[in-house]
Amino acid sequence: AQKVTQAQTEISVVEKEDVTLDCVYETRDTTYYLFWYKQPPSGELVFLIRRNSFDEQNEISGRYSWNFQKSTSSFNFTITASQVVDSAVYFCALRPYNTDKLIFGTGTRLQVFP
Amino acid sequence: SQTIHQWPATLVQPVGSPLSLECTVEGTSNPNLYWYRQAAGRGLQLLFYSVGIGQISSEVPQNLSASRPQDRQFILSSKKLLLSDSGFYLCAWSVRRGAGENFGPGTRLLVL
Repeated sequence: AQKVTQAQTEISVVEKEDVTLDCVYETRDTTYYLFWYKQPPSGELVFLIRRNSFDEQNEISGRYSWNFQKSTSSFNFTITASQVVDSAVYFCALRPYNTDKLIFGTGTRLQVFP
Repeated sequence: SQTIHQWPATLVQPVGSPLSLECTVEGTSNPNLYWYRQAAGRGLQLLFYSVGIGQISSEVPQNLSASRPQDRQFILSSKKLLLSDSGFYLCAWSVRRGAGENFGPGTRLLVL
């Protein structure tokens, strides 16, 4: 089965706190891609990152960082020094190589309070 | 650069009325195209996807249908809307396998 699990339905933090959003995936494929998307209150999904299954290097982009661990089938997303503008729903997604569609998790709603 | 357009942005329709939502992509050729629905406070549900003109794959049986009359045009339709069709409809495109999907601004549909 191919599946993405985001166990945290909602997280609330105060500005400047660090926060980690968890993502666990299931696939039997050896080649696949993982993604994170942000959905702000406006509704449009914003692409954040794409990672292929052969690249386990962690990535940092400004206040965002991603920790990909194949051993635990996880692709967690950390926001450092969170800001109110980070408030959104965040989706993790999986694309096995030989398919034409993304498999989304159910999303984690992040609320950052001033 | 590539852009994706969806219209209308918001739509209020009575139960039983027809529906037509349009999505067009610019700046790319032969993209994969997708329709998703998101009910209030819920995750994303893939409704249809298309890998080429006239090729439509349906993910969820329902009273909706999709068509791709041109390479960069994807239309979501219904002959008779149900209350349960209310939601946020997102169109997306991607290049061939391995790439992520790029989403449009979405259409908020309220069926009364």
